[in-house]
Parts: sequence; structure tokens; C-alpha cells
Amino acid sequence: EAGVTQSPTHLIKTRGQQVTLRCSPISGHTSVYWYQQALGLGLQFLLWYDEGEERNRGNFPPRFSGRQFPNYSSELNVNALELEDSALYLCASSFRGNTIYFGEGSWLTVV
Amino acid sequence: AQSVTQLGSHVSVSEGALVLLRCNYSSSVPPYLFWYVQYPNQGLQLLLKYTSAATLVKGINGFEAEFKKSETSFHLTKPSAHMSDAAEYFCAVSDHDDKIIFGKGTRLHILP
Repeated sequence: EAGVTQSPTHLIKTRGQQVTLRCSPISGHTSVYWYQQALGLGLQFLLWYDEGEERNRGNFPPRFSGRQFPNYSSELNVNALELEDSALYLCASSFRGNTIYFGEGSWLTVV
Repeated sequence: AQSVTQLGSHVSVSEGALVLLRCNYSSSVPPYLFWYVQYPNQGLQLLLKYTSAATLVKGINGFEAEFKKSETSFHLTKPSAHMSDAAEYFCAVSDHDDKIIFGKGTRLHILP
């Protein structure tokens, strides 16, 4: 069975640009979580989607947004990129609040 | 709101020695507790989880953790460290219906 898959794995963007990261959850999982792992800051919760709805949001500005599609896959969008947005973005999925399983992440570098 | 504190951002132990990584949590309800491990350049992998069954939880790779409600702790241990255990370890808490909150992580170094 396939795990959580994320794309792209690595990307480089220029300050001010926009980026879209994609995540496919484990089959049967309805919840998708997004976390940011920046150097020295640990794992920061970004967004939680369940059954297509945004259930919770971390302490990030509105330029971080996302959505969940009917097939439970998800996108994370970041507008007006800043240098400090450089990080590993991790997607995870779960079924009804049980154990979450992580993807390998998308490495974003903003220059 | 729940929170997690991991004591020590870096821990070094000699190969063959006891591994002890500390985690304290706060939660308004009996929590679910997790330990995840992250090897270099990889995502997070579940080591073990506590869901209000046995207080001593055994995980993969010889790790275990004990839930102590009186101390609000969920420390991770392994009797004998191996070089392959070098990684970053994250403790996490969930109050079942909400998001999972992670600690800042502890990087484990294994000394030959």
C-alpha cells in the first residue's frame, strides 16, 4: 500500500513568487495535515483538513493557504514567498484522528 | 490547549549505553501520545504511540516509552544504543479530535 506522497520533492523559488505543494494521503485516510519544519524551529503546525473542510490552522499568516479535494488529496499554497519560508514542508494523513503518517516532504528554498 | 516539551535539543550517548529522551506534555483531556523518529533527509516515522491502554508502550527498533500521568511525562528509552539510532526524535500529543502538536525535537548522537 502506498504511503503519503508529496510533490515536488525539491524546489527553488524567488522571493515574492508563489508556490503550490501537493500531497496524496494514504488510501482511506480522510485527514491531511501540513507542517513546516524550518531550521532550528522544529515542527510547526500549519493546517488540518478533514473531509474537505479546514478544521484548524496554526499561527501562520494568510498567505499560507490550502485546500482538500474530494479525493482527499491536498494542496498547500504559499503566496508572496519570503526568505524565511525556506523549509521542509511535511504532509501527513490519518483516519479519524488516529495515528498520523508522514510523507517524505517537499524541500522549499527561497532565494 | 495541549503542548509538548522535550528536554534537551541534543543528547549524546555511547554505543551500547542506555538511551533516555525526555518528554513532558500538557493536555486538558487524557491524551494520545506519540514518538516519531526522523532520519536525515527523510520524513517522520512512527516509533510508538500511547492510547490509554498499557502505560508501558513498546515500539519499533527496541524503543519503549512509559506514560506517567502523575508526572505528565512520556519519556522514550532504549536499553542499548546502536549507531543506527542516530536521528532526530519528536514527541507529540493529541487530544483525540484535534491536531497533533509536536515538541521541538531531540537530536540523538551515538558515540563510538
